[in-house]
Amino acid sequence: DAKTTQPNSMESNEEEPVHLPCNHSTISGTDYIHWYRQLPSQGPEYVIHGLTSNVNNRMASLAIAEDRKSSTLILHRATLRDAAVYYCILRDVSRNNDMRFGAGTRLTVKP
Amino acid sequence: EPEVTQTPSHQVTQMGQEVILRCVPISNHLYFYWYRQILGQKVEFLVSFYNNEISEKSEIFDDQFSVERPDGSNFTLKIRSTKLEDSAMYFCASGKEWYNEQFFGPGTRLTVL
Repeated sequence: DAKTTQPNSMESNEEEPVHLPCNHSTISGTDYIHWYRQLPSQGPEYVIHGLTSNVNNRMASLAIAEDRKSSTLILHRATLRDAAVYYCILRDVSRNNDMRFGAGTRLTVKP
Repeated sequence: EPEVTQTPSHQVTQMGQEVILRCVPISNHLYFYWYRQILGQKVEFLVSFYNNEISEKSEIFDDQFSVERPDGSNFTLKIRSTKLEDSAMYFCASGKEWYNEQFFGPGTRLTVL
């Protein structure tokens, strides 16, 4: 399975945008890019996913590089509630495979 | 909004005892999963389940573990003879299709003494 690389931690100020990067240089054509987050003492929570085009939903935006070897999760206005560990995960849609979490990026939001 | 529920929220057991962790997935979902997270570590995949059989399992999911969907609503994880190292948060998840999002429950904290 293709692997992802994320920074261990990032900091942001409240109400400012946050750009969380993810590198996936060995991504295959059938890999979707998924983002999940885990708030303290909770289970993981789906954020967004995409294949090639940029995606927007009520939680965030996903910007995918043209060569698909990297992507960026964008939180447009960080709130204190967005403090969490953010995971970038590749899922191969050509087969029913498991979802493997890495260490993720721990986002701290300062008031 | 429908959600995945898990019971109990916290289970304490003695080493060597059997435990059953219960999950009620979202009702129209067809794919079911168990994950675990040892304190301070990453979330680890255990098993996926579809059409009443295991689709995939990790190297963690050995003969001590089993899963079952005993009726139309519950999805259970059984650990036959618990070990100290089984102490972790266990998360159940479900999804409509395998390639779309998974919805996670709040977890069961298992403590093995």
